[in-house]
Amino acid sequence: DIQMTQSPSTLSASVGDRVTITCRASQNINNWLAWYQQKPGKAPNLLIYKASNLESGVPSRFSGSGSGTEFTLTITSLQPDDFATYYCQHYNSYSVTFGGGTKVDIK
Amino acid sequence: EVQLVQSGAEVKKPGESLKISCKASGYSFSNYWIGWVRQMPGKGLEWMEIIYPDDSHTRSSPSFQGQVTISADKSISTAYLQWSSLKASDTAMYYCARLSGIFGVFDYWGQGTLVIVSS
Repeated sequence: DIQMTQSPSTLSASVGDRVTITCRASQNINNWLAWYQQKPGKAPNLLIYKASNLESGVPSRFSGSGSGTEFTLTITSLQPDDFATYYCQHYNSYSVTFGGGTKVDIK
Repeated sequence: EVQLVQSGAEVKKPGESLKISCKASGYSFSNYWIGWVRQMPGKGLEWMEIIYPDDSHTRSSPSFQGQVTISADKSISTAYLQWSSLKASDTAMYYCARLSGIFGVFDYWGQGTLVIVSS
């Protein structure tokens, strides 16, 4: 089974900061990688698909990059609405795997 | 507009059975995988199962295989997740979500169903 490992697990940042979250796959997953944002008490919300494609309606300060086994989610200028938990996710024809999550909180 | 509306919160005792539902609208239910994701209190997202309603093909996480049963009724565009004997460790929020196989993502999510199992 493919494992997805996110780092860091918690990140403290300030409004306006550039934030980078990493997701590593245990084997090559090409670009089958998505990113979600989840706020407390809410369902996750899709941000990025196929590693670098911005979902419709998602602010352009969010971007994704990477391929193979290493991927990043970058928020260029953190806004108050961005304090949340972020998850990466991989899909193949047989299974879905989530990363462990990265909580972005206020420094 | 795509919508997934889940059944309400449940409080059950250990050993009881339970079936929760997820009613879809706004798209062709039969032609998209739909799945369930568990989130235990204060923890991360865990994929459980997916089903293709048109032919009822399923895929299961090894962690959940045999512990729950996924099903779908395409005549009423509804997916289900069922337990035959609940345990306290099944206490969690359960989300249904539509899987876009083309992009490999859960693009629409239900609001979640909280299941509490306590004696």
